[in-house]
Amino acid sequence: GAVVSQHPSWVICKSGTSVKIECRSLDFQATTMFWYRQFPKQSLMLMATSNEGSKATYEQGVEKDKFLINHASLTLSTLTVTSAHPEDSSFYICSARDPIVGETQYFGPGTRLLVL
Amino acid sequence: RKEVEQDPGPFNVPEGATVAFNCTYSNSASQSFFWYRQDCRKEPKLLMSVYSSGNEDGRFTAQLNRASQYISLLIRDSKLSDSATYLCVVNIGNQGGKLIFGQGTELSVKP
Repeated sequence: GAVVSQHPSWVICKSGTSVKIECRSLDFQATTMFWYRQFPKQSLMLMATSNEGSKATYEQGVEKDKFLINHASLTLSTLTVTSAHPEDSSFYICSARDPIVGETQYFGPGTRLLVL
Repeated sequence: RKEVEQDPGPFNVPEGATVAFNCTYSNSASQSFFWYRQDCRKEPKLLMSVYSSGNEDGRFTAQLNRASQYISLLIRDSKLSDSATYLCVVNIGNQGGKLIFGQGTELSVKP
């Protein structure tokens, strides 16, 4: 199946710093990528939908100025958590859809963020 | 009401048991349905899509009832390796492929 990578796999940072997470589709071109967040013992919550070459669509309650999304190419989307705080500590997962295959989304391995 | 609701779990079963997971969804515009499996501290992986006619993949059987907005997953002859959290997932087709995840049901298969 299609492969999606994320980098870094984990990051620890101080409060107030910004953290960039990359999501890459390795063997297909993804016009649409999705960013999710998962807190412990909870399910995945969609944060935003990222479309190549256009602005991301954010879900209700997700601050677009805090979670900056850039989808500059068909194989790369980035999520930047700006001025991170301890409450932003979470498991961030991206997914990508291969338009040739259809609706199936392929998930990256996730990035664990811990803000001290 | 949550858009996708699952049995709260956890389910603790012995090896070889048959276990059933239930899921309901609230949006009648939902177009496609999936079961994902998520292991601890890992990303979710697609287990199977769910079709209206029902479908089977080895020990796994998925059923969909659109009238009742109900989805199920049956695991027969459960193995230790089936221990994971099972996520019911719905695609709201008119929202650009947006997936809505249930909260998950944890399964623990014991020897």
